[in-house]
Amino acid sequence: NAGVTQTPKFQVLKTGQSMTLQCAQDMNHEYMSWYRQDPGMGLRLIHYSVGAGITDQGEVPNGYNVSRSTTEDFPLRLLSAAPSQTSVYFCASRSTGTGELFFGEGSRLTVL
Amino acid sequence: AQSVTQLDSQVPVFEEAPVELRCNYSSSVSVYLFWYVQYPNQGLQLLLKYLSGSTLVKGINGFEAEFNKSQTSFHLRKPSVHISDTAEYFCAVSDLNFGNEKLTFGTGTRLTIIP
Repeated sequence: NAGVTQTPKFQVLKTGQSMTLQCAQDMNHEYMSWYRQDPGMGLRLIHYSVGAGITDQGEVPNGYNVSRSTTEDFPLRLLSAAPSQTSVYFCASRSTGTGELFFGEGSRLTVL
Repeated sequence: AQSVTQLDSQVPVFEEAPVELRCNYSSSVSVYLFWYVQYPNQGLQLLLKYLSGSTLVKGINGFEAEFNKSQTSFHLRKPSVHISDTAEYFCAVSDLNFGNEKLTFGTGTRLTIIP
């Protein structure tokens, strides 16, 4: 019953550092996505993918990079972290039949 | 473009009292509608959804919501709340034309249950 697994759960970075948030799902979902959650702003879509080799931008893509080499994995890369990227990040995959999103438990990132 | 408005950022309710969390959406085409719940320090999980058919939909934990197309609303209700319902609730809309790729969330309503 793994569902969507995100790592790490917590991370502190200095401005300018790079890192990758990992996301893996074991439900064979074609659709995967990354959201960021900030107080008073709800969840905003960063990037999404409708299948291996296909990615597209969401509402707030700047400063983030993604790739989708397999159905299971959808990593999110921060190439040069900025304080504005301090947030809680959620990975989600979607069931094609019902449209329901399944979320990971989140990754809390702080950029100093 | 679609958008979601959750009118109340915080709702305090006494235990065993009824609650209604409001959600209004805008879209130029037909939509799918969802309510998600987020318990402290956890990810979001689906509470209920409206895809088609009956406008009154029932979800988990005794919650229900009614789709009102004329008022573009999808308010969430529960007749009697419990302490365990303390959480943040998010309304979300997906434009059918986009096939669910872009699910737009509201800003959330924090429900606090008062013993």
